[in-house]
Amino acid sequence: GAGVSQSPSNKVTEKGKDVELRCDPISGHTALYWYRQSLGQGLEFLIYFQGNSAPDKSGLPSDRFSAERTGGSVSTLTIQRTQQEDSAVYLCASSYDGWAGANVLTFGAGSRLTVL
Amino acid sequence: QQPVQSPQAVILREGEDAVINCSSSKALYSVHWYRQKHGEAPVFLMILLKGGEQKGHEKISASFNEKKQQSSLYLTASQLSYSGTYFCGTARGKLIFGQGTELSVKP
Repeated sequence: GAGVSQSPSNKVTEKGKDVELRCDPISGHTALYWYRQSLGQGLEFLIYFQGNSAPDKSGLPSDRFSAERTGGSVSTLTIQRTQQEDSAVYLCASSYDGWAGANVLTFGAGSRLTVL
Repeated sequence: QQPVQSPQAVILREGEDAVINCSSSKALYSVHWYRQKHGEAPVFLMILLKGGEQKGHEKISASFNEKKQQSSLYLTASQLSYSGTYFCGTARGKLIFGQGTELSVKP
């Protein structure tokens, strides 16, 4: 597509429920990134994919967080047993290839998660 | 290791200049700069690569001191549209961002 698409744009859930956040990157972009932005905070790296593989998942906060990417395209970030501290905007970005050193990241509008 | 940005916030009048700094404790290959307006996604401004290559918008200028592992973003003759939070990112495979510098430009 023309840009990075994320869904849902807003999600309100109850503590303990599971949520899935979806990211559809720009067509032809092989690298995909997930970041988390808590209110008034910076961009916290979670995980990145090169194709369907995740060379670096060091930023995932706990084993309640997981992500997958299929067909070198759409990615899903799953948060199990959500906690209030998971409330944040989850941003997805994609780039032409996997090495961020010289490649521009294009961000989606984000999925705002609120855990009650 | 997250890069460190300074200042954390700055307020300008239209037409004034500002400098935002970014430093890292690790050797850098490249530094990225992005701007995020309130409620919007971050938008690319510039990449500075080791060796001096730059990619970015013509109206934005920045420097990259490889030896000191520092980068600075220069905003001259600021406009209201420059308001937002500026993030530097340092790339070693993945892109790690600093905590951001909030810039407000007043009329």
